[in-house]
Amino acid sequence: AQKITQTQPGMFVQEKEAVTLDCTYDTSDPSYGLFWYKQPSSGEMIFLIYQGSYDQQNATEGRYSLNFQKARKSANLVISASQLGDSAMYFCAIHCYTSGTYKYIFGTGTRLKVLA
Amino acid sequence: NAGVMQNPRHLVRRRGQEARLRCSPMKGHSHVYWYRQLPEEGLKFMVYLQKENIIDESGMPKERFSAEFPKEGPSILRIQQVVRGDSAAYFCASSQIETGGGHEQYFGPGTRLTVT
Repeated sequence: AQKITQTQPGMFVQEKEAVTLDCTYDTSDPSYGLFWYKQPSSGEMIFLIYQGSYDQQNATEGRYSLNFQKARKSANLVISASQLGDSAMYFCAIHCYTSGTYKYIFGTGTRLKVLA
Repeated sequence: NAGVMQNPRHLVRRRGQEARLRCSPMKGHSHVYWYRQLPEEGLKFMVYLQKENIIDESGMPKERFSAEFPKEGPSILRIQQVVRGDSAAYFCASSQIETGGGHEQYFGPGTRLTVT
């Protein structure tokens, strides 16, 4: 079965330090996409970064980068130079073909707290 | 280009009443997804619709819940005879096309349903 696993329910990081949020996935679909979303306390879902399964290079978007290790089925999010505004819930998601349709499956999330 | 619109943002219903949640996808998007998020939990897929068609409703409770995406107008998630356990944030997302590898989903701000 297709699934996403985020094993860190909560993380702390000092301001200006880098932090890695873990995500592993499982799918039998050879063509899939991996996403990270941020959900601040206000509740909206903010798209951060996308990695396609056939992309050769790791995706980067500003301070966000995705450490994509296909053989290990991991798609960790790296946030460099953490800021207080990075404190939020972070969700990893996969888009793949499962049970007859394409579907997005979300992990349970990691709550990040940036310390001043 | 307006984003995904959801209304109402907050909805309070008494047990036994009906709740109607509306979602207008981004312009040009014909794929709509509904998710439910219980407090302190991740997003749970409910239903995936295209115009006038339900593609995948494997995440929808079998009773009291229904969804539609008519040819004209917004997508509607309808909950009949609400119970306290229906209290949650309901997110709608839209995407442009469905292909292998995925495309970014754009999320609406969510509707927070409270059942008293």
